[in-house]
Amino acid sequence: AQSVTQLGSHVSVSEGALVLLRCNYSSSVPPYLFWYVQYPNQGLQLLLKYTTGATLVKGINGFEAEFKKSETSFHLTKPSAHMSDAAEYFCAVSFGKSGGYQKVTFGTGTKLQVIP
Amino acid sequence: EPEVTQTPSHQVTQMGQEVILRCVPISNHLYFYWYRQILGQKVEFLVSFYNNEISEKSEIFDDQFSVERPDGSNFTLKIRSTKLEDSAMYFCASSQGASQPQHFGDGTRLSIL
Repeated sequence: AQSVTQLGSHVSVSEGALVLLRCNYSSSVPPYLFWYVQYPNQGLQLLLKYTTGATLVKGINGFEAEFKKSETSFHLTKPSAHMSDAAEYFCAVSFGKSGGYQKVTFGTGTKLQVIP
Repeated sequence: EPEVTQTPSHQVTQMGQEVILRCVPISNHLYFYWYRQILGQKVEFLVSFYNNEISEKSEIFDDQFSVERPDGSNFTLKIRSTKLEDSAMYFCASSQGASQPQHFGDGTRLSIL
């Protein structure tokens, strides 16, 4: 069964510091990988995705993630944290089957706190 | 930018009552989904819907749940006889294709009393 693990339910960084949110997945077939962000009382917004091709993907708001097959990881980074980045971040994975990559499995989420 | 819209934003219902959650997917999308997030827990897949039928569902999606696309724009989730444990945030999502990213609505918070 597909699964995704996010290390650290809470991460605190200082404004301007590097953001690193960790995500590992388990799979025997090539996955599609996603990062979503959820601001308080709002829905899930897609930050970036990896499907095929270049393993370093860039998303919105200056975030990027690198797919490392050998490590089964898809960590999310941002060089310099901004106060507006404070939110909950979800790593998600889906796998191809006869109907396509329909079922998305989410990690448990990481709440990012940015300290002024 | 087109978005998925969900109504109502908050629904309060007595246990045992039926509830219908409504979603308007993005207009040119063909795949529709429901997910739920119990408070403090992760987002869980419920069901996917394509070509007027369910294409995949999770073990959570039992006989008390049903989905429907009653017209060309709405996509609904019905819970027939609500239980306390149905209290959660329910998210609707849609995508252009099965392998395309899913776009989520802001959710409906369902509170069962």
